[in-house]
Amino acid sequence: ELKVEQNPLFLSMQEGKNYTIYCNYSTTSDRLYWYRQDPGKSLESLFVLLSNGAVKQEGRLMASLDTKARLSTLHITAAVHDLSATYFCAARTHSGGGADGLTFGKGTHLIIQP
Amino acid sequence: DGGITQSPKYLFRKEGQNVTLSCEQNLNHDAMYWYRQDPGQGLRLIYYSQIVNDFQKGDIAEGYSVSREKKESFPLTVTSAQKNPTAFYLCASTGFGGTEAFFGQGTRLTVV
Repeated sequence: ELKVEQNPLFLSMQEGKNYTIYCNYSTTSDRLYWYRQDPGKSLESLFVLLSNGAVKQEGRLMASLDTKARLSTLHITAAVHDLSATYFCAARTHSGGGADGLTFGKGTHLIIQP
Repeated sequence: DGGITQSPKYLFRKEGQNVTLSCEQNLNHDAMYWYRQDPGQGLRLIYYSQIVNDFQKGDIAEGYSVSREKKESFPLTVTSAQKNPTAFYLCASTGFGGTEAFFGQGTRLTVV
């Protein structure tokens, strides 16, 4: 059974600082997803990582994947208040045309203070 | 515009009632999913469907039922057997290969 663990679950940081959210998963996965959720809203797709060593960047967010370590990271550079949200990682175990569904971590609640 | 539409946005259920949540997508995606979100719990998979007329149970299927009569539609029924249905319900879909999963805007269900 695939398990996904994120840490930290809660993070309060100051604007301008850098920080990393970690996502570990327990079994081999061929897809790793990062999502953002604002309060009361649905999930917004941030990144999909498809292979070992994959790195994707969008603005102040950068995600990477190490399939050997079963670890993905979401790095925040020079944080700004607008990045305050809950961030989820999710992993998928099935490849090909079908899908088993995504297994989510519990989310990291990020608060960025001025 | 292509996307996933969930309705209603808010739903209230009385004790003992069955209620149905709608999920429609026009992305021509094969796979569709239902997730439940409770505070501090992340998302948990209820049911998923890879093709029309076929679906599988997820981790927390008890008290729920689904159908997949059309590719575009994957409604979820919360039955009276679900004893704690108050939650935020999210529908998602993925295309071939599952390179990206898109989510609807969610339905917030409350038992009154």
